[in-house]
Amino acid sequence: DSGVTQTPKHLITATGQRVTLRCSPRSGDLSVYWYQQSLDQGLQFLIQYYNGEERAKGNILERFSAQQFPDLHSELNLSSLELGDSALYFCASSVGTSGGEFFGPGTRLTVL
Amino acid sequence: GQQVMQIPQYQHVQEGEDFTTYCNSSTTLSNIQWYKQRPGGHPVFLIQLVKSGEVKKQKRLTFQFGEAKKNSSLHITATQTTDVGTYFCCNTNAGKSTFGDGTTLTVKP
Repeated sequence: DSGVTQTPKHLITATGQRVTLRCSPRSGDLSVYWYQQSLDQGLQFLIQYYNGEERAKGNILERFSAQQFPDLHSELNLSSLELGDSALYFCASSVGTSGGEFFGPGTRLTVL
Repeated sequence: GQQVMQIPQYQHVQEGEDFTTYCNSSTTLSNIQWYKQRPGGHPVFLIQLVKSGEVKKQKRLTFQFGEAKKNSSLHITATQTTDVGTYFCCNTNAGKSTFGDGTTLTVKP
């Protein structure tokens, strides 16, 4: 158990819909990262927040957005969902802005 | 992060044999992290290397960072069935993390 929690564990929804994934980092960690893992794309970095501020952006689609709240939990919002958005979404956290990251168990999103 | 190429994609070994996965970049890397992901699980951080020529050991696992900081390797001595999973290298640059495609290790008892 890494100490990072993610909800929900599974999510099944339809194309065109919007969903919100939630992440609580390890106690004391200020950085939160979001990743997408699919079979053909591997682990893709989406975005990083540090202490409430966006710090780095990866290959995140415009339909996706995220934020980190004052209590340091983070949410990833996915809208206008497409079949290709079906994937595992991981959240990770770390104390600082670099170094090893601790991953949560992931949310498996299925878009039908 | 910068592009990191990882080989091989798959490795099948007999229990007790050694295993090595390699991570290569065309540019100098400031750091390399290694992760292990068990089937159905999430990536687990193993180690970070930052110095040229650095070698670190964790029990049967040996991690190396090349002298030119363009390559890294993870070597497992005498594999066990508990070593199965996918091993990823990762580079972090300006907050962006780039993962290699991973090497999936299977171990035959």
